Amino acid sequence: QKEVEQDPGPLSVPEGAIVSLNCTYSNSAFQYFMWYRQYSRKGPELLMYTYSSGNKEDGRFTAQVDKSSKYISLFIRDSQPSDSATYLCAMSGSGANNLFFGTGTRLTVIP
Amino acid sequence: EAGVTQFPSHSVIEKGQTVTLRCDPISGHDNLYWYRRVMGKEIKFLLHFVKESKQDESGMPNNRFLAERTGGTYSTLKVQPAELEDSGVYFCASSPITSGRGTGELFFGEGSRLTVL
Repeated sequence: QKEVEQDPGPLSVPEGAIVSLNCTYSNSAFQYFMWYRQYSRKGPELLMYTYSSGNKEDGRFTAQVDKSSKYISLFIRDSQPSDSATYLCAMSGSGANNLFFGTGTRLTVIP
Repeated sequence: EAGVTQFPSHSVIEKGQTVTLRCDPISGHDNLYWYRRVMGKEIKFLLHFVKESKQDESGMPNNRFLAERTGGTYSTLKVQPAELEDSGVYFCASSPITSGRGTGELFFGEGSRLTVL
């Protein structure tokens, strides 16, 4: 069983739509949860960083963590064509040296 | 401020040859990581340096892979001899020292794409 499961998509939405991206995980030791955005031929870029359960909002982006269900989500409001990228969830335990990534979801926002 | 830089951006070699990938982290970042993405799979951890010391190399696939970090600055990852299954994108990331916050924010380079024929 993979540590982190993420639907690879692809996902296509019209401009202005609300996008929901999700990951599930199996390791209850994970405490730090991240969403990275990766444009084609570029490296992953940190979008959101949360600790433990709860919500975090940053502009059009909201990250949610439900540790009881081992489920994390990223919501994008008013999606823009510039949001078209691959979104990767990642997580780690406290004091951990490494991140565990999902496979990434490719998102296309159609103008 | 310069980001994490990696060289080469793409390397095509034949099975059995040697390739060396280089990573220059962000200046002042003591933590340096190597990750790899094989086609169709998730990005996976290879190893972690703190300054010049290997903190964790549990993700290194086998002894054909050798990573070094000279003087705690840039790092190299050598694959010798390369096999077909080594093809993929090798990412380097760096971060400042953290204290019990997991890995903290990792800053990734653009990756070095390795193709083994």
